Amino acid sequence: EVQLVESGGGLVQPGGSLRLSCAASGFTFATYSMNWVRQAPGKGLEWVSYIDTRSSTTYYADSVRGRFTISRDNAKNSLYLQMNSLRDEDTAIYYCARSYSSSTKTFDYWGQGTLVTVSS
Amino acid sequence: QTVVTQEPSLSVSPGGTVTLTCGLSSGSVSASYLPSWYQQTPGQAPRTLMYSTKTRSSGVPDRFSGSILGNKAALTITGAQADDECDYYCVLYMGSGSWVFGGGTKLAVL
Repeated sequence: EVQLVESGGGLVQPGGSLRLSCAASGFTFATYSMNWVRQAPGKGLEWVSYIDTRSSTTYYADSVRGRFTISRDNAKNSLYLQMNSLRDEDTAIYYCARSYSSSTKTFDYWGQGTLVTVSS
Repeated sequence: QTVVTQEPSLSVSPGGTVTLTCGLSSGSVSASYLPSWYQQTPGQAPRTLMYSTKTRSSGVPDRFSGSILGNKAALTITGAQADDECDYYCVLYMGSGSWVFGGGTKLAVL
């Protein structure tokens, strides 16, 4: 069974940093590209970042580019999101989501999310 | 900035048919945008319903169907059931490693 479990969320002050993790199991993690998608309280979904299988290609939404860094460790079956210079508007549930394939560009499995609250 | 549009809310009677759409603030949605649809109940993670316009994800019943209708992507639910009442999101692949979600449609079954 595919499982994605996020961790690392919490309360952080504006301007602070946080590192999210996503532990993957039930599939060969190294063969799938991965994403982070977030959802502000009571709002819709927003794609945040993508990383390919070998970490050679990464993409970011304009809203986080230059502040967030996506990475992965295939040996540890883990995905990460380093978030710096956090702003109030970064408050959201952060989901990790698996990319089904490069041809479909869809997210097929999602974790349950971890809540990040940016507030003074 | 590209905006993906969805109906904020829709309603359907039990057993009825409803179509949710996914458009662009400027331009038309085609299959090349690889539209996907996700279902989300309150407090839960999204569930993948449809991808590449009309391919149902594993385990999704065939009363859910996807298409391109005019200049929008569409998700049609036939034989609506009470547990279809939740939020639905579409996402379009804009190319160059960028995905944009629509604002979501809150579906009521009543």
